[in-house]
Amino acid sequence: GQQVMQIPQYQHVQEGEDFTTYCNSSTTLSNIQWYKQRPGGHPVFLIQLVKSGEVKKQKRLTFQFGEAKKNSSLHITATQTTDVGTYFCAGPGYGNKLVFGAGTILRVKS
Amino acid sequence: KAGVTQTPRYLIKTRGQQVTLSCSPISGHRSVSWYQQTPGQGLQFLFEYFSETQRNKGNFPGRFSGRQFSNSRSEMNVSTLELGDSALYLCASSPMRGVNEKLFFGSGTQLSVL
Repeated sequence: GQQVMQIPQYQHVQEGEDFTTYCNSSTTLSNIQWYKQRPGGHPVFLIQLVKSGEVKKQKRLTFQFGEAKKNSSLHITATQTTDVGTYFCAGPGYGNKLVFGAGTILRVKS
Repeated sequence: KAGVTQTPRYLIKTRGQQVTLSCSPISGHRSVSWYQQTPGQGLQFLFEYFSETQRNKGNFPGRFSGRQFSNSRSEMNVSTLELGDSALYLCASSPMRGVNEKLFFGSGTQLSVL
């Protein structure tokens, strides 16, 4: 069935360094969503991308949707300790279900 | 507006018991989805309810069931609990159905099965 693969599984960066997580699908996606889950918290919606090649920015976060609408990325510039958490991508799956990637855990060393 | 409310926050049960979890969606939201989150498996879709009807079901055994009431509140039930059912159960609501809808998650119910 539909799978959304996310890499890396885990990344530990020094505060101030950049961070990127990638999401890949085996099929074309109508849209892709990104969520952030702080340690001990619940997933919180960040953004939705719909158009091929779309790029959206939220302060230090840059989200991209691939031209073929099969991949997406989230890039954080100059990470801060407030960025720690798990970042999930999610896309439409078989049977009209939203399928989540396994998530990328981000840890930031200060 | 109040967010998605899940009760209880924590539960400890023993194998073989059954459990009922509750979810109150954001006012006006008609779709409620349930997810199981474990460290090894990530977020796994359980089911979705809309207008009191189950619209979608994930790959879970029949021990997992749910329902939705006319006020959109939802409950999920797990019977004959197994150790592997220990997980964080997250409920998410959205105004309408569909994979284009963004989800609003509750804080979850942490279930431990001993």
